[in-house]
Amino acid sequence: DAMVIQNPRYQVTQFGKPVTLSCSQTLNHNVMYWYQQKSSQAPKLLFHYYDKDFNNEADTPDNFQSRRPNTSFCFLDIRSPGLGDTAMYLCATSPRDRGANQPQHFGDGTRLSIL
Amino acid sequence: GQNIDQPTEMTATEGAIVQINCTYQTSGFNGLFWYQQHAGEAPTFLSYNVLDGLEEKGRFSSFLSRSKGYSYLLLKELQMKDSASYLCAVRDNQAGTALIFGKGTTLSVSS
Repeated sequence: DAMVIQNPRYQVTQFGKPVTLSCSQTLNHNVMYWYQQKSSQAPKLLFHYYDKDFNNEADTPDNFQSRRPNTSFCFLDIRSPGLGDTAMYLCATSPRDRGANQPQHFGDGTRLSIL
Repeated sequence: GQNIDQPTEMTATEGAIVQINCTYQTSGFNGLFWYQQHAGEAPTFLSYNVLDGLEEKGRFSSFLSRSKGYSYLLLKELQMKDSASYLCAVRDNQAGTALIFGKGTTLSVSS
């Protein structure tokens, strides 16, 4: 049973055309993350939510935004995608408790191509 | 600062044992994770270490030395399906529950 679901799996869009990626979870986890992973590189954290508290990484580009309307859903909006934004975008969740042995659970990712 | 290093590529044959090393530098270490990622797929959790020593889980084991900033993932009785990228990730207190990933080690298993 899929627990972290990302849609779409593949997305092709034009340079400068806004795009939204979605993530939903059935785990009822407090924390949701968005990572960007370019080819042969490490996943790079873009931002994350503790419940509704939004935490942006310092080097996340300004044209990347996120929304979390409820516990189950989180969206990544790219307002004006550039060619350099071609990447796999990974959504992950975890419980809030930092001290526990709690791995992050990843969705299958959305492979985004900017043409 | 935060830095995680692991070899880029490794090769091995079916049935063999392979050890993938990871060294890290963080200011507030709070756990180390190993993930497996097949091409085009999401990372899947393999193991977690927060105390020094060896954690064994079937064919996979992971070791941690906090004083040396060092971990390894040991894969025994390699199978073709173990061909994948193996990501070392560290949880840093300054980053909350978020993980800092290494670039991954691509393991190729041949027959």
